[in-house]
Amino acid sequence: AQSVTQLDSHVSVSEGTPVLLRCNYSSSYSPSLFWYVQHPNKGLQLLLKYTSAATLVKGINGFEAEFKKSETSFHLTKPSAHMSDAAEYFCVVSASPRSQGNLIFGKGTKLSVKP
Amino acid sequence: EPEVTQTPSHQVTQMGQEVILRCVPISNHLYFYWYRQILGQKVEFLVSFYNNEISEKSEIFDDQFSVERPDGSNFTLKIRSTKLEDSAMYFCASSLRDPSAQYFGPGTRLTVT
Repeated sequence: AQSVTQLDSHVSVSEGTPVLLRCNYSSSYSPSLFWYVQHPNKGLQLLLKYTSAATLVKGINGFEAEFKKSETSFHLTKPSAHMSDAAEYFCVVSASPRSQGNLIFGKGTKLSVKP
Repeated sequence: EPEVTQTPSHQVTQMGQEVILRCVPISNHLYFYWYRQILGQKVEFLVSFYNNEISEKSEIFDDQFSVERPDGSNFTLKIRSTKLEDSAMYFCASSLRDPSAQYFGPGTRLTVT
């Protein structure tokens, strides 16, 4: 069965410093992987997705993620954190290639950004 | 930018009562979904809906649950007889063609007492 593990429940960075949110996946097929972000009182927003094209995926707001099959990882990075990046981030994998939208979520990583 | 909206934002109901959670997906989207997140746990898939029928559902989505698109704009989740363990945040989502590119609403917090 497909699953994702987010290695940190909470990450705290200073504004202007790099962000690294870690995610490992387990999949019996070539997975589709996503990162979603949720700001307080807002819906989940798709940041980026990997669907077996380029292994380095660029998303919105300066975020990117690299698919590393050898490490079964899909970590999310950003070179320089902004206060507005403070939110909860979810690593997500599609349940199966034939899935009609069944997404499997990680537990989430709460990102805090200090001034 | 178009958004998925959900009403109400918070619903309190008594155990055994029926509850209907409402969603207005993005207007030209074709696929619709419900997820839930019990406090402190992961977001879990409940059901997907396409072309006026359920296309996929999880084990959670038992006979107590049903979905409907009663008109061209709303998408509802009904829980027939609520249990305490149905207390959760319920998220609606929609997508245009690609089921992997889902747009989520802000959620409805359901509290069953």
